[in-house]
Amino acid sequence: QVQLQESGPGLVKPSETLSLTCTVSGVSVTSGSYYWSWIRQPPGKGLEWIGEYMYYSGSANSNPSLKSRATISVDTSKNQFSLKVRSVTAADTAVYYCARSVAHQGRYFDYWGQGTLVTVSS
Amino acid sequence: QSVLTQPPSASGTPGQRVTISCSGSTSNIGSNSVNWYQQLPGTAPKLLIFSNNLRPSGVPDRFSGSKSGTSASLAIGGLLSEDEADYYCAAWDDSLTGWVFGGGTKLTVL
Repeated sequence: QVQLQESGPGLVKPSETLSLTCTVSGVSVTSGSYYWSWIRQPPGKGLEWIGEYMYYSGSANSNPSLKSRATISVDTSKNQFSLKVRSVTAADTAVYYCARSVAHQGRYFDYWGQGTLVTVSS
Repeated sequence: QSVLTQPPSASGTPGQRVTISCSGSTSNIGSNSVNWYQQLPGTAPKLLIFSNNLRPSGVPDRFSGSKSGTSASLAIGGLLSEDEADYYCAAWDDSLTGWVFGGGTKLTVL
């Protein structure tokens, strides 16, 4: 049974770096079949994709709207993947979700974490 | 402003059929398959429809999807009170090299 769980600080100061970790169980993050993504949702608003990473190929893609502030990495020893967003502002306040996308009969996000709220405030 | 356009709200009475539209462009819906997600209040999104019209195991056949050109639709038949949720369409965008979502449609069951 595949499960994803986000963890990290709930409060980050403006201009600092937001760091979150997604712990994956039931499947290896090194699998060549999956991309590992971060998606966020500002309070009361819609979903915004941040970026994705496939360990097997080293392929990474990210949302241009974040202007290269976001980085996704994988820790194979802990079966986790992480997100760092530099130079945060209040606009980065959101619920952050980690998710897996699979390529089988198309590509789609089939498993999501429960989400974690990150507030950017001094 | 979302790349994919959805109506902000939709409504229906129990038992009715409701349709939610999703409009995009040649670089996203026109070139790639569309997925739909259901987000119940206070929870994470859940995959509802993938590859335009396929249902994951466990999703009732009351939910169906379709795509034509640069637009897609989600239909919910036999509306139930438990269907009250936000619905999002999503597709890969070849120009942006990334995923794009619709702004979401809040479905109210009257």
